[in-house]
Amino acid sequence: KAGVTQTPRYLIKTRGQQVTLSCSPISGHRSVSWYQQTPGQGLQFLFEYFSETQRNKGNFPGRFSGRQFSNSRSEMNVSTLELGDSALYLCASSLADNNEQFFGPGTRLTVL
Amino acid sequence: KNEVEQSPQNLTAQEGEFITINCSYSVGISALHWLQQHPGGGIVSLFMLSSGKKKHGRLIATINIQEKHSSLHITASHPRDSAVYICAVAKGRQFYFGTGTSLTVIP
Repeated sequence: KAGVTQTPRYLIKTRGQQVTLSCSPISGHRSVSWYQQTPGQGLQFLFEYFSETQRNKGNFPGRFSGRQFSNSRSEMNVSTLELGDSALYLCASSLADNNEQFFGPGTRLTVL
Repeated sequence: KNEVEQSPQNLTAQEGEFITINCSYSVGISALHWLQQHPGGGIVSLFMLSSGKKKHGRLIATINIQEKHSSLHITASHPRDSAVYICAVAKGRQFYFGTGTSLTVIP
């Protein structure tokens, strides 16, 4: 069974631009969560989707948004990029609540 | 105050040593996860615990719900165990993460 895939793996953007990251969960997994990892803040929860509905959201500004499609693939979007948005963005999928999460390799975003 | 505290932050061990990493949390949880992150970023879920103890190869994870504490043990450590180990607690559908323990195992 293929693991969680994320595209692109690396991305360089400039301040003010927007970016869309994609995550394909493991086949059959309906829950997709997104996380931001920075050297200063560590791992932080962004949001979680299940069956195309956002069920939970972390403490991030409205510039961070996401969606999930009927095939469980998920995208996250960051608008009006800031230097501080430079981070590793990870997604993870699971079968259901409180099940083991399987992480993707991450997308490393650099904002110049 | 962080909901999840890990100790130590950094750990250097000689190959073969027994290693313990601790995690304390302050929120009521439904599950606790131990994650491993190698250089380059990839994260692997090692354990998910809601009570008791789990063992996988040389790795053992325990949790004490009453004391809000978990430990990750590595027996007979090996240089390939060098990584960052992260404790994460699930409260409902939200995760809270520790800052990680950076482990280096020297041959």
